[in-house]
Amino acid sequence: GAVVSQHPSRVICKSGTSVKIECRSLDFQATTMFWYRQFPKQSLMLMATSNEGSKATYEQGVEKDKFLINHASLTLSTLTVTSAHPEDSSFYICSAYRQGGYEQYFGPGTRLTVT
Amino acid sequence: GQQLNQSPQSMFIQEGEDVSMNCTSSSIFNTWLWYKQDPGEGPVLLIALYKAGELTSNGRLTAQFGITRKDSFLNISASIPSDVGIYFCAGQSLMNYGGSQGNLIFGKGTKLSVKP
Repeated sequence: GAVVSQHPSRVICKSGTSVKIECRSLDFQATTMFWYRQFPKQSLMLMATSNEGSKATYEQGVEKDKFLINHASLTLSTLTVTSAHPEDSSFYICSAYRQGGYEQYFGPGTRLTVT
Repeated sequence: GQQLNQSPQSMFIQEGEDVSMNCTSSSIFNTWLWYKQDPGEGPVLLIALYKAGELTSNGRLTAQFGITRKDSFLNISASIPSDVGIYFCAGQSLMNYGGSQGNLIFGKGTKLSVKP
């Protein structure tokens, strides 16, 4: 159990367009999901905490109007990168806790390339 | 803010050798987690530790939660080529719960390369 999926796995978009990334917990419910960004050869950096039924909590320095997060149900959170620029190119990874659990399970990641 | 110091940054070992890596912090954590990340994929949970002094094994992997709650190590015995990857430690504290509901603080990773 504890499977987290992401879609798409890879996406290429043009500068100025928006891209939506989905994160789903497949076999458990997740009241809290997290979105991370990872640049090459670096560790994971938390962008925001996604809470089902309420507004996301963003980390310092992350623009909430640029990275829109919607946690519509207990199994789905979406991250929309609006007006994407080449510097937004990165590996975006989501994670989730089981309800009542203490371990975070990660999705396989989404490689975003903005041209 | 809270930081985790993970070492070594990278290591090359001969197949069959044992590997050890560790994480330290100036802050106390209530949970330590060890993950492995292969290129282009998300981290996969290897071992979770919940109690100070706890020693937990998962196959050839063994990890311990330090008594002071400020450190943890991961050992890999008899390494094989598929052990190649980046290993991350991650800590979670009650302070994190108060802010971002249990977000993890990650170390910078240990890149493991095995010579065949």
